[in-house]
Amino acid sequence: DIQLTQSPSSLSASVGDGVTITCRASRSVGNYLHWYQQKPGKVPSLLIYAASTLQSGVPSRFSGSGSGTDFTLTISSLQPEDFATYYCQQSYSNIRSFGQGTKVEIK
Amino acid sequence: EVQLEESGGGLVQPGGSLRLSCAASAFAFSGSWMSWVRQAPGKGLEWLANIKPDGSEKYYVDSVKGRFTISRDNAKNSLYLQMNSLRAEDTAVYYCARDDGTMVRGLTGVYWYFDLWGRGTLVTVSS
Repeated sequence: DIQLTQSPSSLSASVGDGVTITCRASRSVGNYLHWYQQKPGKVPSLLIYAASTLQSGVPSRFSGSGSGTDFTLTISSLQPEDFATYYCQQSYSNIRSFGQGTKVEIK
Repeated sequence: EVQLEESGGGLVQPGGSLRLSCAASAFAFSGSWMSWVRQAPGKGLEWLANIKPDGSEKYYVDSVKGRFTISRDNAKNSLYLQMNSLRAEDTAVYYCARDDGTMVRGLTGVYWYFDLWGRGTLVTVSS
């Protein structure tokens, strides 16, 4: 099975800061890597699919990059509504998997 | 409204069984891959299993293989998860999710991601 490791596990940042979250796969997943946001008490919502394609309705301050084993999610200027937990997920394998999550907290 | 709604959660003793259901509305359920995903209290997301639209293929994460069984009834627009030999560590909110596929300009292949989630049902395994 493919393991996904996110770093950092948590971070503190201020409104307006730029933030980068990394996701590393245990073996190549091509571009089959997606990012989700989950706010407390809510279900996850899709932000980015195929490593870099923004889901409809997602603000352009979110961007994704990478291929193979190394991927990043970048938020260019944190907004109050962006404080949440972010997960990467691969669909290269029929055995899907998620990263352990990165919690973005207010500094 | 396009939606998924889980049911069947509750309190069960270790070693017991439970069957979760997920009712789909307002989309072509019979043409959709479907998954179960869980989230233990205060923890991250764990994908558990998925099933092909016609039910002919099923995949499981190792931690539930042999104990959990995913199934579907397309005539009833419903997805199921039969959970046996439950353990305390199976305590979680269980979500059903649609595993949607799309093609992306400039890339080959079909990209599958979870685009629709239910609100989840809580399973507590405790004596």
